[in-house]
Amino acid sequence: AQKITQTQPGMFVQEKEAVTLDCTYDTSDPSYGLFWYKQPSSGEMIFLIYQGSYDQQNATEGRYSLNFQKARKSANLVISASQLGDSAMYFCAMREESGGSYIPTFGRGTSLIVHP
Amino acid sequence: NAGVTQTPKFQVLKTGQSMTLQCAQDMNHNSMYWYRQDPGMGLRLIYYSASEGTTDKGEVPNGYNVSRLNKREFSLRLESAAPSQTSVYFCASSGDREKDNEQFFGPGTRLTVL
Repeated sequence: AQKITQTQPGMFVQEKEAVTLDCTYDTSDPSYGLFWYKQPSSGEMIFLIYQGSYDQQNATEGRYSLNFQKARKSANLVISASQLGDSAMYFCAMREESGGSYIPTFGRGTSLIVHP
Repeated sequence: NAGVTQTPKFQVLKTGQSMTLQCAQDMNHNSMYWYRQDPGMGLRLIYYSASEGTTDKGEVPNGYNVSRLNKREFSLRLESAAPSQTSVYFCASSGDREKDNEQFFGPGTRLTVL
């Protein structure tokens, strides 16, 4: 079973609208971290946002927010006021602790296209 | 402050050839990682190193070896390249405290095996 599931291979959104990218995860560890990364067509991996499993509030970073629903094991990324530059691949990832190391697992990604 | 650097950026190999991908970080991180990225598969962990002198297998280690040369450097070796190893390879590093909540990635190496 996949540890990170991103069910939307591709998403389209109109410029200036909000979009939600889905991510569900599977872990039995009580302590874990959830991340979102952006990969534009140039190929680099850009860190967007982080949510710790014990964080009480949803993480926010500028136009990015993480809708963390612990009981549902979901960590959806919300991008408000989409911009053309938001067109990219988006990856959800989870970090679990194993023997003192933090081991990350990535989802397969969602391709977001922002239309003018 | 260069962050994470990788060399080379591009490489073409013939089946059976060997090569080493180099990675270095200047952030004094203990943890370093090697991933491969294939279309539709996301990033898959090949090997990781939690500290200098230790390495562990990730999800897809077959056909690869790694060396944690020192705290800064973590290399990935393909002893006998196969077409199935055609991929983009990323090196990453991170701190290992609970509040170190970001992995820093190198620019990637695009490898083609003919």
